[in-house]
Amino acid sequence: EVQLVQSGAEVKKPGESLKISCKGSGYSFTTYWIAWVRQMPGKGLEWMGLVYPGDSDTRYSPSFQGQVTMSADRSTSTAYLQWSSLKASDTAMYYCARHVDATAALDYWGQGTLVTVSS
Amino acid sequence: DIQMTQSPSTLSASVGDRVTITCRASQIISSWLTWYQQKPGKAPKLLIYKASSLETGVPSRFSGSGSGTEFTLTISSLQPDDFATYYCQQYNDYSIFGGGTKVEIK
Repeated sequence: EVQLVQSGAEVKKPGESLKISCKGSGYSFTTYWIAWVRQMPGKGLEWMGLVYPGDSDTRYSPSFQGQVTMSADRSTSTAYLQWSSLKASDTAMYYCARHVDATAALDYWGQGTLVTVSS
Repeated sequence: DIQMTQSPSTLSASVGDRVTITCRASQIISSWLTWYQQKPGKAPKLLIYKASSLETGVPSRFSGSGSGTEFTLTISSLQPDDFATYYCQQYNDYSIFGGGTKVEIK
C-alpha cells in the first residue's frame, strides 16, 4: 500500500527555521517525484514544486523559488521542505503528494502538516 | 504565465443534479489537466487525469472532457458524498491549480 506520512504540526516564531518531512512507503520512492502543495487557511491549493528523490533534482514554482528548499533522503525514503526564516504568511497546511510522470497527476497524498507562525 | 480560472466558484445543487465545473486556461495547454476533490480537513483526492481518464476506484458518475483552453468536470448525478470543493490543475514546466469550486447543498 502506497503511503506518504508527514511530520506533525509545528508552531514557530517569525524568523525561525523549520524543516518538515514526508516519508514514503509501499512503492519505489526513488522513481517518483514528490510534490509539495500549500493551502493557506480557508484558501485554495498552491503548487510549490517537485523534488526527485532519485537524484535530488528540484523544480520550483516561480512563486516559491528562493522562499523554500526541497530535498530528499533516499536512504530513509523521506522528502523535506524547509524554510530558513519563517514569516507569518507561511502559516498554512502543507501537503506532500506523489507525482506520476506519465499522467502529471498527484495520485497519493500525505495527511498534511500544519505550520503556524506567530509571535 | 498560464492562469487557470475555474467557474463557478460556488455551486448550489441538489442530490441527483447534473453538475458541470469549468476550468479555463489563459493559453492553450496540453492535456496534462487533472481534477481533484477535497473535503474539509482532508487531503485532496485524485479524480480525473489527462483531462478525461478516470482514476481507479472513482465512481463513473465523474467524467472529464476538454482540450485547448477549456476543460470540464461533470458529475452526472450528484450524490451526498460529492459535496466538496473541486480543483483543476495543469502541468507544463511547472504546475498551477485553479481557484476551486465549492459544491454546496441547495
